Amino acid sequence: KNEVEQSPQNLTAQEGEFITINCSYSVGISALHWLQQHPGGGIVSLFMLSSGKKKHGRLIATINIQEKHSSLHITASHPRDSAVYICAVYNFGNEKLTFGTGTRLTIIP
Amino acid sequence: DTGVSQNPRHKITKRGQNVTFRCDPISEHNRLYWYRQTLGQGPEFLTYFQNEAQLEKSRLLSDRFSAERPKGSFSTLEIQRTEQGDSAMYLCASSQALYGYTFGSGTRLTVV
Repeated sequence: KNEVEQSPQNLTAQEGEFITINCSYSVGISALHWLQQHPGGGIVSLFMLSSGKKKHGRLIATINIQEKHSSLHITASHPRDSAVYICAVYNFGNEKLTFGTGTRLTIIP
Repeated sequence: DTGVSQNPRHKITKRGQNVTFRCDPISEHNRLYWYRQTLGQGPEFLTYFQNEAQLEKSRLLSDRFSAERPKGSFSTLEIQRTEQGDSAMYLCASSQALYGYTFGSGTRLTVV
């Protein structure tokens, strides 16, 4: 079992729909990243969370440390949001990230 | 500063050849990380440097792999005697503090 699990693996939605991507982890963490990866490979950090909730534009990320769970929400989804979204965690006392396998999101116009 | 730069973006090589990739981190970042990502998977940790010191290496980093960061600035990742299983995206990231990664665009290696 991976230390970081994401669901769903693939998600296709119509433009304008509200999107939720989930991340569960099994280890104690000090922080969690949500990352976006477009075709071609480059990764962009969207959020880094250690508690609560963060919002940036149409993106919202939440984390529940007790339940070891985080969600990424996209409101009013747009085709340009189509990408792979990856959850990654910092384990306690560890400088490296452990990544989930990603959620491939496709928004249809 | 234009962020983390990786070169080349793509590399196609024949099995058995040696390849070297370069990563130029953000100049004030003292931590530099290498990750490998195969198709459909999340990135996996290979190694990381704090300044010029290589502080951790994954068991994924076989004897054919070596990484350096000689002056605590840019880093190179060399793969000797490449195998088809080495085909992957090699990602570099840097950070100043413990958190707050900035990723490069990656080098996609194809071994034929």
